[in-house]
Amino acid sequence: LAKTTQPISMDSYEGQEVNITCSHNNIATNDYITWYQQFPSQGPRFIIQGYKTKVTNEVASLFIPADRKSSTLSLPRVSLSDTAVYYCLVGDVVNTGFQKLVFGTGTRLLVSP
Amino acid sequence: EPEVTQTPSHQVTQMGQEVILRCVPISNHLYFYWYRQILGQKVEFLVSFYNNEISEKSEIFDDQFSVERPDGSNFTLKIRSTKLEDSAMYFCASSEGAGHEQYFGPGTRLTVT
Repeated sequence: LAKTTQPISMDSYEGQEVNITCSHNNIATNDYITWYQQFPSQGPRFIIQGYKTKVTNEVASLFIPADRKSSTLSLPRVSLSDTAVYYCLVGDVVNTGFQKLVFGTGTRLLVSP
Repeated sequence: EPEVTQTPSHQVTQMGQEVILRCVPISNHLYFYWYRQILGQKVEFLVSFYNNEISEKSEIFDDQFSVERPDGSNFTLKIRSTKLEDSAMYFCASSEGAGHEQYFGPGTRLTVT
């Protein structure tokens, strides 16, 4: 599994766009990039997954450059309820099934009024 | 929206006792998982289960742990003889298929005294 590096914490204000970058220099050809969110005392929740370029859903966007050695999770116009820990995970979805999610320490996002 | 449920929400037990944590995965999901999170630490993978057998397990999942799908809906984690260091939040998750997003339950907080 590719090692990931993300900032330990980030601060933002309501209404701002937040970009959290994850480095995964040794990402393999079959690896996908997946982001999960975890609120205090709750289980992680899937946010978005992508392989290359840009993926967008109703919650976030994921930007992946051509070399795929990093990715950026973008949260538009955050609110107080977006305060959570955000995890970047990299794994082979296609061949191994990526059954085992390996969570790092994540990025603790604090959104203030 | 369908969700994974877990019972109990909090379990207190004495060291050496057996505990069974229960989960009801989302009904059409085929893969089931257990993770744990010691307070203030990372979410750790314990085991994945498919087609009525363990497909992968971590080093944490030793002989004291077992999983079972006793009927068509429940998925259980048994710890035979609890230790103080088993105190953690235990999360059950399920997914439609290998590599698909995993849906986590709200967790069971296990306290071993």
